[in-house]
Amino acid sequence: QIQLVQSGPELKKPGESVKISCKASGYTFTDYAMHWVKQAPGKGLKWMGWINTYTGKPTYADDFKGRFVFSLEASASTANLQISNLKNEDTATYFCAREIKGGFDYWGQGVMVTVSS
Amino acid sequence: DIQMTQSPPSLSASLGDKVTITCQASQNINKYIAWYQQKPGKAPRQLIRYTSTLVSGTPSRFSGSGSGRDYSFSISNVESEDIASYYCLQYDNLYTFGAGTKLELK
Repeated sequence: QIQLVQSGPELKKPGESVKISCKASGYTFTDYAMHWVKQAPGKGLKWMGWINTYTGKPTYADDFKGRFVFSLEASASTANLQISNLKNEDTATYFCAREIKGGFDYWGQGVMVTVSS
Repeated sequence: DIQMTQSPPSLSASLGDKVTITCQASQNINKYIAWYQQKPGKAPRQLIRYTSTLVSGTPSRFSGSGSGRDYSFSISNVESEDIASYYCLQYDNLYTFGAGTKLELK
């Protein structure tokens, strides 16, 4: 069965970096783009951008240009999100989601990143 | 960028009621809208794509309609398992979520 399994929760200090992963199984990884979605505590969903899993080319939403990097370990069917120079407002749950022609069908379970001094 | 205005922010319903949520896009999105259900602590679940196509496993009490800039999502005969937050997503030009609607029991 298709699964996206994300890494565990993270507690970081402001200014540090974090890298979270999303491991796909049950389908051909390079056939579907992978997207990232942020959800701050008690807030709605915000699209961060996506990565072409065939070419490795990332595309970032305007609010996520600069400190955010999408990458792949294609041989391991894994997509990664790295956030540098963490700020308090980066505290959120981050989801990966597989793209189909009608939006996003499968989602990871989410990774809670807490930024606190 | 396309903006999605979702309303209402919250909704109170009794079991068996029909409820409707709307999303208005800032421009024509050519029916490229999906609807998601999210329960606390869980990932969103896709219910509808391309305005009105039910995703496999979505109960028939859920429905969607609309065109151009204006879209709606309805639940007829609300059940207790439907208590959740609901989001629209446009995917005509990049991607934008609506702000969400929290459905509660009256």
